[in-house]
Amino acid sequence: KAGVTQTPRYLIKTRGQQVTLSCSPISGHRSVSWYQQTPGQGLQFLFEYFSETQRNKGNFPGRFSGRQFSNSRSEMNVSTLELGDSALYLCASSPGIPKNEQYFGPGTRLTVT
Amino acid sequence: KNQVEQSPQSLIILEGKNCTLQCNYTVSPFSNLRWYKQDTGRGPVSLTIMTFSENTKSNGRYTATLDADTKQSSLHITASQLSDSASYICVVSAETGANNLFFGTGTRLTVIP
Repeated sequence: KAGVTQTPRYLIKTRGQQVTLSCSPISGHRSVSWYQQTPGQGLQFLFEYFSETQRNKGNFPGRFSGRQFSNSRSEMNVSTLELGDSALYLCASSPGIPKNEQYFGPGTRLTVT
Repeated sequence: KNQVEQSPQSLIILEGKNCTLQCNYTVSPFSNLRWYKQDTGRGPVSLTIMTFSENTKSNGRYTATLDADTKQSSLHITASQLSDSASYICVVSAETGANNLFFGTGTRLTVIP
């Protein structure tokens, strides 16, 4: 079974631009969660989608948004990028909820200059 | 309040030596506890998962222990190798709640020759 895939793996953007990151969960998994990880910080929860519905949202500004498609693939979007948005963005999939197990993708490294 | 605390924050050991990482939690009701290994710039990979009734679980040179009474877990690494250099993250699942995963901030382990 293929693991969680994320694209792109690396991305460089400039301040003010917007970016879209993509995540394909493990086949059969319906829950997708997004996390931001910055140096020295733990995993910060962004949001979770289940069956195309956002179920939970972390404490991030409205510039961060996401969606999930009918095939469970998910995208997250960050608008008006700031330098502080530079981070590793991780996607994790779970069979369902509650999430007793999560499988992480390799992450997308976003650098904002 | 549901929390997960890990110690030490960072650790440097010589190749071949053993080490122990700690995880204390206040998550309730407890479902399971998982240790992840995260190489720099990559997504976390699960090492072990332990439920309430399990007090020891091994995965090669990694041995996790769980004391559900004191709400403490440890990850013991035997005969460390350079490839063990990574961050180790403790994640505790609650039995209930849509957002039921609680993350520690991790221990950064560096193994030097």
